[in-house]
Amino acid sequence: DAKTTQPPSMDCAEGRAANLPCNHSTISGNEYVYWYRQIHSQGPQYIIHGLKNNETNEMASLIITEDRKSSTLILPHATLRDTAVYYCIVRVAGIGGADGLTFGKGTHLIIQP
Amino acid sequence: DAGITQSPRHKVTETGTPVTLRCHQTENHRYMYWYRQDPGHGLRLIHYSYGVKDTDKGEVSDGYSVSRSKTEDFLLTLESATSSQTSVYFCAISESAGGGAKETQYFGPGTRLLVL
Repeated sequence: DAKTTQPPSMDCAEGRAANLPCNHSTISGNEYVYWYRQIHSQGPQYIIHGLKNNETNEMASLIITEDRKSSTLILPHATLRDTAVYYCIVRVAGIGGADGLTFGKGTHLIIQP
Repeated sequence: DAGITQSPRHKVTETGTPVTLRCHQTENHRYMYWYRQDPGHGLRLIHYSYGVKDTDKGEVSDGYSVSRSKTEDFLLTLESATSSQTSVYFCAISESAGGGAKETQYFGPGTRLLVL
């Protein structure tokens, strides 16, 4: 799986949009971008994933650049409950459980009141 | 939230005793996984299962065994617990290996294990 680079920490004001960047410059054509987050002491929570196109769900939006070398996770109206470590993961499709998810160090997002 | 429960949620045990952790799912997903999470190491895959009675090793399988006799249950056993197995254990499930949404893994709440 391609390696990802994320800033170690970010702050965002409550109610504002939080934009979390991820660099995956070595991504290959059959690799998906997944985002998870982990709130302290809880299990990782799936947020969103994408291959080429931008995606949106009830939690967030995922913007993938045209060359697929980077992406941005957008939390449109951040709340204090969004304070967590956010992980960007790139994973080859179709290998099932052969390799576990590789969580790097992620970005610690702190939402300020 | 995916229907995944783990039991027990917390356990303290002594070195040398056997310990079994249980993961139960109500989603009828084919794949189930056991991870451990330790400071400085992130999440590491211990074992996974791709169907009833079908399991395989992950990155850190030494000292652990697993069993899956029913689709909904995946058991992780520490045959003789050691202090190095003190960790937080997470179970995860995924629908299949079809890529994209089908491979999305959903995690349980975790089990905190302390081996004294």
